[in-house]
Amino acid sequence: AQRVTQPEKLLSVFKGAPVELKCNYSYSGSPELFWYVQYSRQRLQLLLRHISRESIKGFTADLNKGETSFHLKKPFAQEEDSAMYYCALSGLNQAGTALIFGKGTTLSVSS
Amino acid sequence: GAVVSQHPSWVICKSGTSVKIECRSLDFQATTMFWYRQFPKQSLMLMATSNEGSKATYEQGVEKDKFLINHASLTLSTLTVTSAHPEDSSFYICSAPGGRTGGYNEQFFGPGTRLTVL
Repeated sequence: AQRVTQPEKLLSVFKGAPVELKCNYSYSGSPELFWYVQYSRQRLQLLLRHISRESIKGFTADLNKGETSFHLKKPFAQEEDSAMYYCALSGLNQAGTALIFGKGTTLSVSS
Repeated sequence: GAVVSQHPSWVICKSGTSVKIECRSLDFQATTMFWYRQFPKQSLMLMATSNEGSKATYEQGVEKDKFLINHASLTLSTLTVTSAHPEDSSFYICSAPGGRTGGYNEQFFGPGTRLTVL
């Protein structure tokens, strides 16, 4: 079965603390993994994707095929990082297909 | 980047009436669009895939007679909630794939439509 699991509904950290948002997936073929972010009252937007191996706003995520994980990390959280984060999955080389989303994790960063 | 719009952004209707939600790709063409439903503080659940020029494909458990989808052109898909009831109240989001830009399956999301059925 194709599935994305985000075990934490809410993650609260203090400003400057490290952040790790967990994501595990189940997919029978080769997956393409994404992290999307939704700030308050804004639309869903792409944060990063595993293929590009880039760092956006200080966030990174590495695809671990052995552990079927794609955890999102940031060494020092900022208050503006507070948002809802969704891990998403599609099939590799399946252009234009729908994404499968995890349930999302709310990140709350306080000073 | 590519932009997807939705109209209206929010709507309140009486039980039993029908509501139409529009999803437009503003600066690119989309032969496929996706409709999702999002409950408060929960994930996006795929409802259906809208295909230009052909019938929509519905996910299991989604009533196609309840949620009518029409992909009228390469830039417009509409979702009509027929005979709406309070349990249909939700946040409806559409998305469109922007093609494999740089080799990635990138999708662009609309801002969503908040439907409240009284």
